[in-house]
Amino acid sequence: GAVVSQHPSRVICKSGTSVKIECRSLDFQATTMFWYRQFPKQSLMLMATSNEGSKATYEQGVEKDKFLINHASLTLSTLTVTSAHPEDSSFYICSARDFGTSRMETQYFGPGTRLLVL
Amino acid sequence: RKEVEQDPGPFNVPEGATVAFNCTYSNSASQSFFWYRQDCRKEPKLLMSVYSSGNEDGRFTAQLNRASQYISLLIRDSKLSDSATYLCVVVRGGYQKVTFGTGTKLQVIP
Repeated sequence: GAVVSQHPSRVICKSGTSVKIECRSLDFQATTMFWYRQFPKQSLMLMATSNEGSKATYEQGVEKDKFLINHASLTLSTLTVTSAHPEDSSFYICSARDFGTSRMETQYFGPGTRLLVL
Repeated sequence: RKEVEQDPGPFNVPEGATVAFNCTYSNSASQSFFWYRQDCRKEPKLLMSVYSSGNEDGRFTAQLNRASQYISLLIRDSKLSDSATYLCVVVRGGYQKVTFGTGTKLQVIP
């Protein structure tokens, strides 16, 4: 099946620093990528929808100035957590939809990035 | 009320047992339904879609009850490898709104 990669898989940083997470679709083009956050024992919460070549659409309650999203190409979206704080520690997962389709069956998840802010 | 609700479990069952999970959804405009499996500290992976007519894939059977607004997942002959968290996913608005349940944890015991 299609592969989506994320980098880094794990990051530990000091409070106040910025962290960039990359999401790549390796063998297909993705006009749309999604960023989710999952806290322990909670469901995946959609943070934003990233569209190639345009601004991301953020879900209610997600600060767009804190979580910067850039979708510069059909295979790469980046999420930057600016001025990270301990409460931003979470599991961040991206997913990508195969170009030209909107079916859930063609939405592939990355392996996730575990962020720990000290 | 949450848009998608699941019993968090854990469901502890012996190998070979049959186990069933339910998931209720609140929005009657929901269009598509899925079950995902998530292993500890890993990303979710699509297990199966849920169709109105019900569908079966090996030991797994999924059903949809639109009148009562719930979907179910039945696992027969449980294996140790089935131990995971099972997430219910509900989609509406032409795939613009995707909502994950909090998941039901299954632990299959030898």
